[in-house]
Amino acid sequence: QKEVEQDPGPLSVPEGAIVSLNCTYSNSAFQYFMWYRQYSRKGPELLMYTYSSGNKEDGRFTAQVDKSSKYISLFIRDSQPSDSATYLCAMSAGSGYSTLTFGKGTMLLVSP
Amino acid sequence: GAVVSQHPSWVICKSGTSVKIECRSLDFQATTMFWYRQFPKQSLMLMATSNEGSKATYEQGVEKDKFLINHASLTLSTLTVTSAHPEDSSFYICSARPSGGYGYTFGSGTRLTVV
Repeated sequence: QKEVEQDPGPLSVPEGAIVSLNCTYSNSAFQYFMWYRQYSRKGPELLMYTYSSGNKEDGRFTAQVDKSSKYISLFIRDSQPSDSATYLCAMSAGSGYSTLTFGKGTMLLVSP
Repeated sequence: GAVVSQHPSWVICKSGTSVKIECRSLDFQATTMFWYRQFPKQSLMLMATSNEGSKATYEQGVEKDKFLINHASLTLSTLTVTSAHPEDSSFYICSARPSGGYGYTFGSGTRLTVV
């Protein structure tokens, strides 16, 4: 079993839809959870950063962490064609210079 | 916000030659930088951790003599792919974490094609 599992998609939705992206993980030591957006041939861009369990909202984005289930989610409301990208979940055990473990990424396609 | 600049964004080289990729933190000092490799439709795989003023720490399976890392200043780390082969063709990305910041900032990546 891989440390972080993420459905590669692609996930196709119409503009305005609510998008749900998810990752599961096996390492209970993970405490810090991140979502990155990566456009084709570009470096990842940090979207959300959360610590431990709970919810965090930033504009159209909501990140949820359920440590008891080892499950994290990213919700995108009112999705836009510009949201079309690959979304990577990442997690680490420490807040310092701990290495990140990434999921494979889910490709999202939002059609106008 | 924190910016990491990576150069070049793409490079084509002949098999057997060496290629240097630069990673700069533009508005913060980075004592630690990370180098990743990403193959198409695959996740980012950590290659090495670059430490300013000391030797880099390589992940298991990464040849340190092939992927030379130099972190000579608090704002610059370089990755040199020596004697490149076609199987080294990949997307190389660096990242750094600003002191007191959250998460890691990534460079825009370098697409290396070895022919």
